[in-house]
Amino acid sequence: GAGVSQTPSNKVTEKGKYVELRCDPISGHTALYWYRQSLGQGPEFLIYFQGTGAADDSGLPNDRFFAVRPEGSVSTLKIQRTERGDSAVYLCASSPSGRDTDTQYFGPGTRLTVL
Amino acid sequence: SQELEQSPQSLIVQEGKNLTINCTSSKTLYGLYWYKQKYGEGLIFLMMLQKGGEEKSHEKITAKLDEKKQQSSLHITASQPSHAGIYLCGADPGYSSASKIIFGSGTRLSIRP
Repeated sequence: GAGVSQTPSNKVTEKGKYVELRCDPISGHTALYWYRQSLGQGPEFLIYFQGTGAADDSGLPNDRFFAVRPEGSVSTLKIQRTERGDSAVYLCASSPSGRDTDTQYFGPGTRLTVL
Repeated sequence: SQELEQSPQSLIVQEGKNLTINCTSSKTLYGLYWYKQKYGEGLIFLMMLQKGGEEKSHEKITAKLDEKKQQSSLHITASQPSHAGIYLCGADPGYSSASKIIFGSGTRLSIRP
């Protein structure tokens, strides 16, 4: 069966531009997570969706970052006025229900480079 | 906030040798995950441990969680080139139902033929 997919795989943009990153979770998974991974570091939590709602957005670094999941499946992470420090791999994960015993399944990530 | 420290940061091992990677938490672990990551790819789930003293194995990889639930180790027996990659431990902070994972910085494993 299909795993978590993310598009684009690579995105290069200029400082100040707006970007959107897309995540397609595993079909039927109600929980969806976004993480950010900088070079040489482990993934860092950004936001968690349960269904259509953001249940925990405590990891979003500032108000330039926003994510939506309007129909409870596909999610889009939106970054406004990008900065060079936003360069990282953005990972998406999904799990069946979001319980703490669930396994989170990760996508391949989107590598964002801000010039 | 909970922090995870992994050691070593990197490791080069002769093919066929055994190795151990450690993960230490600043707080009691409610759940401990081990993931593997290859360059440019997502994370592959290996194992999850929840109970003190728990041990799980998959093929040649064994993970243990100590009785106090603050330290975990990942042991690979008779390493192979396919074991090369970055190994990440992650903790369930346990203070919310969000089950977000807090990750360590990873251990980069290289296998020398």
